Amino acid sequence: DAGVIQSPRHEVTEMGQEVTLRCKPISGHDYLFWYRQTMMRGLELLIYFNNNVPIDDSGMPEDRFSAKMPNASFSTLKIQPSEPRDSAVYFCASSPNRGASGELFFGEGSRLTVL
Amino acid sequence: QQQVKQSPQSLIVQKGGIPIINCAYENTAFDYFPWYQQFPGKGPALLIAIRPDVSEKKEGRFTISFNKSAKQFSLHIMDSQPGDSATYFCAARGVTGGFKTIFGAGTRLFVKA
Repeated sequence: DAGVIQSPRHEVTEMGQEVTLRCKPISGHDYLFWYRQTMMRGLELLIYFNNNVPIDDSGMPEDRFSAKMPNASFSTLKIQPSEPRDSAVYFCASSPNRGASGELFFGEGSRLTVL
Repeated sequence: QQQVKQSPQSLIVQKGGIPIINCAYENTAFDYFPWYQQFPGKGPALLIAIRPDVSEKKEGRFTISFNKSAKQFSLHIMDSQPGDSATYFCAARGVTGGFKTIFGAGTRLFVKA
């Protein structure tokens, strides 16, 4: 069974460019989470969705960040314009419904470098 | 404030030793306390988890000890092996404030052969 799939695995871009990260959650999972990992701040929750609806975006750092989930099998995280301080590994995770264990299933991450 | 504080930041033990990683939380509404293991270049993966109505849970060489009154929990790795070298994150999931998991800062464990 396929896990959470993220693309691209690596992205190098220049400051000011638009970056789009993609995620395909595990089929049947109702929750989707976007996390950002840096050495300084660890794993930060950016936003999460339930049944394709954004529930909590309080972790989104600025208006430059936006996330969408147009259907149950696809989500995007967009940064426009990108800045060097956005360099990090971005993880997508999915989880089955609230009544289940609450386990998060992570993708392998998208490593973003903004020059 | 929904925070989970984790220590130590890094840990080095000999093979066969018992590394212990500690976490503390503030929000009494948390209802699920997982530990995740992360290898370089990979996403975190669930290792073991506990709910607040249980004081200890053991799965293989991994044990969680939970102290509800102190709002603390810890991970013990028995007979540690070089293959256990990884970053370990404690976490907590809340019921109130949304169905979201908050992570500790992580502990980098190195087990010497």
